[in-house]
Amino acid sequence: DTEVTQTPKHLVMGMTNKKSLKCEQHMGHRAMYWYKQKAKKPPELMFVYSYEKLSINESVPSRFSPECPNSSLLNLHLHALQPEDSALYLCASSQPGRGRSGGYTFGSGTRLTVV
Amino acid sequence: GESVGLHLPTLSVQEGDNSIINCAYSNSASDYFIWYKQESGKGPQFIIDIRSNMDKRQGQRVTVLLNKTVKHLSLQIAATQPGDSAVYFCAEIPIIQGAQKLVFGQGTRLTINP
Repeated sequence: DTEVTQTPKHLVMGMTNKKSLKCEQHMGHRAMYWYKQKAKKPPELMFVYSYEKLSINESVPSRFSPECPNSSLLNLHLHALQPEDSALYLCASSQPGRGRSGGYTFGSGTRLTVV
Repeated sequence: GESVGLHLPTLSVQEGDNSIINCAYSNSASDYFIWYKQESGKGPQFIIDIRSNMDKRQGQRVTVLLNKTVKHLSLQIAATQPGDSAVYFCAEIPIIQGAQKLVFGQGTRLTINP
């Protein structure tokens, strides 16, 4: 299995809702990432988990809460989002450490719309 | 600060021609560079990578060139096909102790004309 699977593919939520995005990989990768991508822009890093521990938080607002329950799963919990948070949320995984090649493997993303 | 950018936001080429997509990076400490292809509605897909101890690497129909002197990266696609139409991002991994942080450039939209 060489894929990163993200669910749901599309999500519409109100500003008072609580929802979660899910990401799963079975490649044995021990680093997982959340990226946010606005239209016609490059992906921007939000969080990095390495060996199930949060190693990078790119000053993301607390209304985004990541969770890594185990080495295969990564969640992003959403609460009290704003319309400007509407974007494509991408999950990726890789082997940690600098000696690895092959880059990151990305999922197809969750298209989030906040109304 | 860290930034990876592209000279041209759009590029159109005729099917069968070769294309060259350019990228400038500013972090001279980066030692690993990757090109990604992103089609509409999909996540970025790995194309080819290169480490800073190399100046050229070839794959199937693609070649990446790295010029560390001027901090320039390029992706050459030979004999372009309609399926090559996509947005192409260069990305770098700066040397940061204890973590990996993939930083994307702004992207170039490549359109292959029939």
